[in-house]
Amino acid sequence: DVKVTQSSRYLVKRTGEKVFLECVQDMDHENMFWYRQDPGLGLRLIYFSYDVKMKEKGDIPEGYSVSREKKERFSLILESASTNQTSMYLCASRTDGQGEAFFGQGTRLTVV
Amino acid sequence: AQTVTQSQPEMSVQEAETVTLSCTYDTSESNYYLFWYKQPPSRQMILVIRQEAYKQQNATENRFSVNFQKAAKSFSLKISDSQLGDTAMYFCAFISFQGAQKLVFGQGTRLTINP
Repeated sequence: DVKVTQSSRYLVKRTGEKVFLECVQDMDHENMFWYRQDPGLGLRLIYFSYDVKMKEKGDIPEGYSVSREKKERFSLILESASTNQTSMYLCASRTDGQGEAFFGQGTRLTVV
Repeated sequence: AQTVTQSQPEMSVQEAETVTLSCTYDTSESNYYLFWYKQPPSRQMILVIRQEAYKQQNATENRFSVNFQKAAKSFSLKISDSQLGDTAMYFCAFISFQGAQKLVFGQGTRLTINP
């Protein structure tokens, strides 16, 4: 079974902290994605990566950065967390071509 | 840029009824995939069904089927004989295979199946 694992299910951080959300996949997928999910807004793409050290901005990259040093790991970084970044964060991976995306279990981040 | 729109924020039906969830999308490209994902209360996203744009035949998976209207850019999901376990958020998604392969989602529809 394909597995996408996010490092935390729930996370509480303080305003101004640097926050790291980690995502690891075990299927050698080329593409990895970070989304945030908010009620009424669906899943909005923050960043995605199509290869090691390669990244592209999604629709809402402001306030976020990413790192992909190894193929299996894609990290989302909140440089200075703010309360408006309180949300559910979902990581996904997929192979090139026809492959469906597989998702992690999500991280519910609360910034206080 | 591609966009996906789900115009029904919430729907509710009785168990065993048939329900149709709507999705429209906007793209200028011809080669793409469309998906329906389900997110139950456990939060784990699960693929329900996929449709290749080049195929005219509508995809089916057991009780789930789609009505794909390429010219109208419409991709609805029909759930037949609905079950309590179908209660979930449903997301429509689009991916093109030209240029950057961004996977774009709609706003979601919260479906409740009542006993």
